[in-house]
Amino acid sequence: AQSVTQPDIHITVSEGASLELRCNYSYGATPYLFWYVQSPGQGLQLLLKYFSGDTLVQGIKGFEAEFKRSQSSFNLRKPSVHWSDAAEYFCAVGAGFGNEKLTFGTGTRLTIIP
Amino acid sequence: DAGVIQSPRHEVTEMGQEVTLRCKPISGHNSLFWYRQTMMRGLELLIYFNNNVPIDDSGMPEDRFSAKMPNASFSTLKIQPSEPRDSAVYFCASSFGQGAAMNTEAFFGQGTRLTVV
Repeated sequence: AQSVTQPDIHITVSEGASLELRCNYSYGATPYLFWYVQSPGQGLQLLLKYFSGDTLVQGIKGFEAEFKRSQSSFNLRKPSVHWSDAAEYFCAVGAGFGNEKLTFGTGTRLTIIP
Repeated sequence: DAGVIQSPRHEVTEMGQEVTLRCKPISGHNSLFWYRQTMMRGLELLIYFNNNVPIDDSGMPEDRFSAKMPNASFSTLKIQPSEPRDSAVYFCASSFGQGAAMNTEAFFGQGTRLTVV
């Protein structure tokens, strides 16, 4: 069965600093990978996704992620964070015949300090 | 489009009562998902439908939980009887896809926060 590990429960960064959130997955086939963001009291919003092709994918809000098959990783990055980026971030892998079953990691809570 | 619409946003009920959560997916989407989010277990897929047909309900915790999708624009998740351990945020999501790319992107509703006392 597929699984996703987000090793960092909570990360604090200064506004303007760079950010990297880690994600490792376990899946026997070629994965469909996603990053979602959840603001307090809100649903999840898709930041970016990887299906195939270029292993560096660009998303919304200035985020990017790199798929590294050899490391089973799909880390999320942003060169300069803004206070509005404070939220919880979830990595997910899609599985099943149509990759419709999303398995989520436990999430990383991002705090931004001035 | 208004996005995925869930109702109610908040629900407080007494143990033993029946609870019905509602979801209206995005028009044109052919897959619908119900998730539960708790601090202890994170986000769990409960059940999903494709073209109104339940495909996988292996995540439904027990027989007290049931879900229906009578048409393409409406789904319900029912808990009967409810228990305090069912307290969680329940999310509905929808997506459109075909064949091997069924899940190109899932759009989530804002969730229903359920409290069972």
